[in-house]
Amino acid sequence: GAVVSQHPSRVICKSGTSVKIECRSLDFQATTMFWYRQFPKQSLMLMATSNEGSKATYEQGVEKDKFLINHASLTLSTLTVTSAHPEDSSFYICSASAPGAHTGEAFFGQGTRLTVV
Amino acid sequence: KNEVEQSPQNLTAQEGEFITINCSYSVGISALHWLQQHPGGGIVSLFMLSSGKKKHGRLIATINIQEKHSSLHITASHPRDSAVYICAVRSAGSYQLTFGKGTKLSVIP
Repeated sequence: GAVVSQHPSRVICKSGTSVKIECRSLDFQATTMFWYRQFPKQSLMLMATSNEGSKATYEQGVEKDKFLINHASLTLSTLTVTSAHPEDSSFYICSASAPGAHTGEAFFGQGTRLTVV
Repeated sequence: KNEVEQSPQNLTAQEGEFITINCSYSVGISALHWLQQHPGGGIVSLFMLSSGKKKHGRLIATINIQEKHSSLHITASHPRDSAVYICAVRSAGSYQLTFGKGTKLSVIP
């Protein structure tokens, strides 16, 4: 099946700094990628839909200036958590849908556990 | 907006038992996904189905479109099956998924 690689898997940063998380589709082109956030023992919450070559679409309540999304190529989307606060500590995961034979299937990255101290 | 309900929320089974996890949704969909999330957080897509039944090894997924219900079955469960199983649905014309809250499965040797 298609592969989505997410990096880093874990990151610890200081309050006030910015953290960039990368999501790559390794063997297919993803025009659309999704960014989710997951709090402990809760389900995934969609943060934003990342579209290649255009602005991301953010879900209600998600601050676009705080969670910057860039989808500059068909294989890479990045999420930057700016001016991180301890309450931003969470598990972030991306997914992409593959075209062609795997149309509609969702492939997930490994996730990034962010801890802000 | 589609409401996705999973049951049970938690499930403990003895190794070798047959396991069933249920998922129901409120609005018609184009596809339903069953996902597996291990303690480290990574998510693996187990099945995507829009009708009928699919089987992969010891896993079987079924869906009844009329009743808006799907089940995931695990035969001859094993401790390595311990994980959170998540049902997610996709509406027609969209790649966005709506997720259930997950079922935490623990299989005891």
